[in-house]
Amino acid sequence: ETGVTQSPTHLIKTRGQQVTLRCSSQSGHNTVSWYQQALGQGPQFIFQYYREEENGRGNFPPRFSGLQFPNYSSELNVNALELDDSALYLCASSLDARNQPQHFGDGTRLSIL
Amino acid sequence: AQKVTQAQTEISVVEKEDVTLDCVYETRDTTYYLFWYKQPPSGELVFLIRRNSFDEQNEISGRYSWNFQKSTSSFNFTITASQVVDSAVYFCALSEAEMDSSYKLIFGSGTRLLVRP
Repeated sequence: ETGVTQSPTHLIKTRGQQVTLRCSSQSGHNTVSWYQQALGQGPQFIFQYYREEENGRGNFPPRFSGLQFPNYSSELNVNALELDDSALYLCASSLDARNQPQHFGDGTRLSIL
Repeated sequence: AQKVTQAQTEISVVEKEDVTLDCVYETRDTTYYLFWYKQPPSGELVFLIRRNSFDEQNEISGRYSWNFQKSTSSFNFTITASQVVDSAVYFCALSEAEMDSSYKLIFGSGTRLLVRP
C-alpha cells in the first residue's frame, strides 16, 4: 500500500512569486486535507477536498487555493508569496471526509526569501 | 471554541523511564474525536490513535497507553520504558464536524520528547 507522497521536498521562492505543491493520496483515499506548519507550532488547517470539491476551509486568504483531480491527487497553489508563508506544508489523506484518521505525507518545506 | 492545549513544551527523560504527555481540550460538541500523532525529525506526522467522545475506555498498545477522561477534558499519553527512538514531537488533536461537513484537525502546539541513552 503506497502512502501519501508530496513533491517537491524543499522549495525556495521569493516574495511575490507563485508556487504549486503536489500530493498523491494513499491508495483508496478520496479525501485530501492540507495543513501549514510554521516552525515550532502545530499544523494549521488550510482546506479539505472530497471527491474533487472543496469541503471546508480554514482561516487562510484566497491566495491559497487548491485542486483535487479524478485520481484524488491534489495541488495547493499559493499566489503572491509573503515571508510568513515560509513553513512546512503537509498533505493528509483519509478514506472519506467523515473523520477517518488522516494519514500524512512527509511535507514540503517552503522557504520565502 | 475548539482548542487543544499541550502545556509541556519539552520533556527530557533517560531511557527506560516512563513519561506522560498531557493534553487538555475544549469543544462545544458532544460528538468529537481525539487523536495523537508523532512527528519525527523527518517531518511526517505518524498517526498513533483515534478516540471518539463516547468511548472512555483506556487503551494500551505495546509500550503506549492512553487515558481519556471527559470529566477533566483530558486525553493523556503515556510511554512506558521509553526508548531513544521515541524521541520526537508529539501532537494531540481534536476533530468535530463543521457546518460545511468537513472534519478538520485542530492541533495542540506539541510536546518535544527527548529520550537520552
